[in-house]
Amino acid sequence: RKEVEQDPGPFNVPEGATVAFNCTYSNSASQSFFWYRQDCRKEPKLLMSVYSSGNEDGRFTAQLNRASQYISLLIRDSKLSDSATYLCVVNNNDMRFGAGTRLTVKP
Amino acid sequence: NAGVTQTPKFRVLKTGQSMTLLCAQDMNHEYMYWYRQDPGMGLRLIHYSVGEGTTAKGEVPDGYNVSRLKKQNFLLGLESAAPSQTSVYFCASSSLGRLAAYQETQYFGPGTRLLVL
Repeated sequence: RKEVEQDPGPFNVPEGATVAFNCTYSNSASQSFFWYRQDCRKEPKLLMSVYSSGNEDGRFTAQLNRASQYISLLIRDSKLSDSATYLCVVNNNDMRFGAGTRLTVKP
Repeated sequence: NAGVTQTPKFRVLKTGQSMTLLCAQDMNHEYMYWYRQDPGMGLRLIHYSVGEGTTAKGEVPDGYNVSRLKKQNFLLGLESAAPSQTSVYFCASSSLGRLAAYQETQYFGPGTRLLVL
């Protein structure tokens, strides 16, 4: 079983839609959690950290559920520019990356 | 401020050839990392460094060597390339280390695409 699992997608949504991704992790001792964004043929870039109480950054909301060992990312009012692959990252001494969920936002 | 840079951007090797990938950062970061990214898999850590002159193995170190002679540079070497090493290689750096639980923001370079025939 992979340490960090994500639905690879692709998620194809219209502009303005709300879309949510989940990510599960296997190591209950994991300490910190992040969402990175990776555009096609580019490097990953930090989108947001995920805090225990949940956190929001504009149209993006991240949640952590330690009991069920998953994190989520919600994107509201999707823009064309949100099209990318979203990587879930879990830190337990080592950073473990999920394979990513691909999102395509269409006009 | 260029951030993290990598050279070369793309390389084709024949099986058995050797090469060195160079990573440079100008953010005065202590920690540097080499990852590989393959389709359907997350980034996997090859080697990392917690400071000048120190290196350590990551999740998939076999077939690779690294050196950190200067704080700003982290070199990844392939002594005898194999087709299984065809991948995209990313270098990253951070100011805080692997054990800094809550602020581990890593900054990535643009990647090196390596094809081994």
